[in-house]
Amino acid sequence: KAGVTQTPRYLIKTRGQQVTLSCSPISGHRSVSWYQQTPGQGLQFLFEYFSETQRNKGNFPGRFSGRQFSNSRSEMNVSTLELGDSALYLCASSLAGVSGNEQFFGPGTRLTVL
Amino acid sequence: GENVEQHPSTLSVQEGDSAVIKCTYSDSASNYFPWYKQELGKGPQLIIDIRSNVGEKKDQRIAVTLNKTAKHFSLHITETQPEDSAVYFCAASRLSGYALNFGKGTSLLVTP
Repeated sequence: KAGVTQTPRYLIKTRGQQVTLSCSPISGHRSVSWYQQTPGQGLQFLFEYFSETQRNKGNFPGRFSGRQFSNSRSEMNVSTLELGDSALYLCASSLAGVSGNEQFFGPGTRLTVL
Repeated sequence: GENVEQHPSTLSVQEGDSAVIKCTYSDSASNYFPWYKQELGKGPQLIIDIRSNVGEKKDQRIAVTLNKTAKHFSLHITETQPEDSAVYFCAASRLSGYALNFGKGTSLLVTP
């Protein structure tokens, strides 16, 4: 079974630009969650989508948004990029949701904002 | 919201020794506690999890203990091997409808 895939793996943007990251979950998984990982803050939950609906949201500004398509693939968008948005963005999928279920993580997208 | 604290932030042990990583949490309603291992260049991978209805769970060289009264849980790795070197994260959440809250990670180095 193929694992979670994320594209692109690396991205360099400048302040003020916007970016879209993509995540393809494991086949059959309906839940996709996004996390931001930085050395200072660790792994922080952004949001979770389940069957195309946002089910949970972390404490991030509205510049961070996402969506999920009918095939469970998900995209995450960050608008008006700031230097502090530089991070590894991880996507995780699970069968039924983030709570109490094993999360399968992708390798991440490394975003650098200059 | 839930706050998960993890100690130590770095841990160095010799091959064959045991390693222990400890976490505390703040939300008394949390009842799911997974541990993830992250190797360089990869996403975290679940290695073991425990639910609040049990106090201990073992899987070969790995064990997790939970003390709900004190709100802390620990990861124990016995007979460590160099391939155990990685960053380990603890997490906590309620079982239904809530996000996972992660500790800040422990970088474990096992030296031959």
